[in-house]
Amino acid sequence: NAGVTQTPKFQVLKTGQSMTLQCAQDMNHEYMSWYRQDPGMGLRLIHYSVGAGITDQGEVPNGYNVSRSTTEDFPLRLLSAAPSQTSVYFCASSPGSLQPQHFGDGTRLSIL
Amino acid sequence: GNSVTQMEGPVTLSEEAFLTINCTYTATGYPSLFWYVQYPGEGLQLLLKATKADDKGSNKGFEATYRKETTSFHLEKGSVQVSDSAVYFCALSANAGGTSYGKLTFGQGTILTVHP
Repeated sequence: NAGVTQTPKFQVLKTGQSMTLQCAQDMNHEYMSWYRQDPGMGLRLIHYSVGAGITDQGEVPNGYNVSRSTTEDFPLRLLSAAPSQTSVYFCASSPGSLQPQHFGDGTRLSIL
Repeated sequence: GNSVTQMEGPVTLSEEAFLTINCTYTATGYPSLFWYVQYPGEGLQLLLKATKADDKGSNKGFEATYRKETTSFHLEKGSVQVSDSAVYFCALSANAGGTSYGKLTFGQGTILTVHP
């Protein structure tokens, strides 16, 4: 059982470049989320989705876009990368509200 | 808004020592509370949870009790092992007149290092 799969694991970008972080889950979970992890700040919610076709902003959404065309996939797009977006990004899914979330192994992103 | 505050780290202990990591929260509605653990190079894993006041979550020798009167969810373990070295996160998921939509609010994390 793969759970939540994130790709790539590592990425280096130059300022202004765009890229998509991929997230896929095989547990048929309705809820999916993207977080970023920065030292001393825990994890902060970027965007979330409660089902295919439904997304909303979290705590720190600026500079990021998401879409949810299928239950399984929830990609995160950086439109024009900035050094402030250097972070570790985690995707998570859960079967319902107030339920524990299952996390991927993360994508470590560096913006030069 | 919702918030979670964890004790400052890092925490360094000798094997078989007693562990406490403090966690307090502020939330609207009736939150569910979680402890997640992150081992080096990995994602977060659920360690334990509690969904209502006075519930005790437990797993792998770790325990935490949901204390509504003190808005706390402190993590404890009676005898830590070297393999417990990791980062520990306290988190909550709270309803606010509706549904939480699966959103978590995290504390800043506490690094635990256990020496032989």
